[in-house]
Amino acid sequence: TQLLEQSPQFLSIQEGENLTVYCNSSSVFSSLQWYRQEPGEGPVLLVTVVTGGEVKKLKRLTFQFGDARKDSSLHITAAQPGDTGLYLCAGEYYSGYALNFGKGTSLLVTP
Amino acid sequence: GAVVSQHPSWVICKSGTSVKIECRSLDFQATTMFWYRQFPKQSLMLMATSNEGSKATYEQGVEKDKFLINHASLTLSTLTVTSAHPEDSSFYICSARGQGLNIQYFGAGTRLSVL
Repeated sequence: TQLLEQSPQFLSIQEGENLTVYCNSSSVFSSLQWYRQEPGEGPVLLVTVVTGGEVKKLKRLTFQFGDARKDSSLHITAAQPGDTGLYLCAGEYYSGYALNFGKGTSLLVTP
Repeated sequence: GAVVSQHPSWVICKSGTSVKIECRSLDFQATTMFWYRQFPKQSLMLMATSNEGSKATYEQGVEKDKFLINHASLTLSTLTVTSAHPEDSSFYICSARGQGLNIQYFGAGTRLSVL
């Protein structure tokens, strides 16, 4: 199994602050997904990135894929309590194969 | 988007019994299904990959005789935890990928508690 590093593992911030979550690997991804998971539920897909240098925005969330397709970041602007949850990056090293998940970032946004 | 249904959502069983978890793709044909295990506050760990009509491929360290996977049709895969023990208690999640689809769709997960 390829190693996919995600950081930070835990993040506790106040409403209105910005934050960035990082996902890194020594190998090239064919694609990378970001998920958000609520307790007791399955992961929900936020975005898929496939092209090096790609930037995608989803309201206050900005996703970036590194030029070399080995790293990605998730930036949340003006975090809200509703953003609280577990954020997971998952990389696909070979198209059609299983996803390799990072350890996840547990985000808590307090009012 | 595509929907994957997982059943049951929560099961409690006695030690030594077997439990079957179903994963269904509702609006697409899932040529490949994946089974993951997740411990509290941790990420998903891939257990096995199953392709319709063939034997599942298990990840290193996963006992194939303990976690039986059947992918008998293009819309259904099952995971059977045989002779369950308390250490098997966990959150089990399936995902499915259809032919030509480049993303996986996840079920809502099954919480297994073995007493």
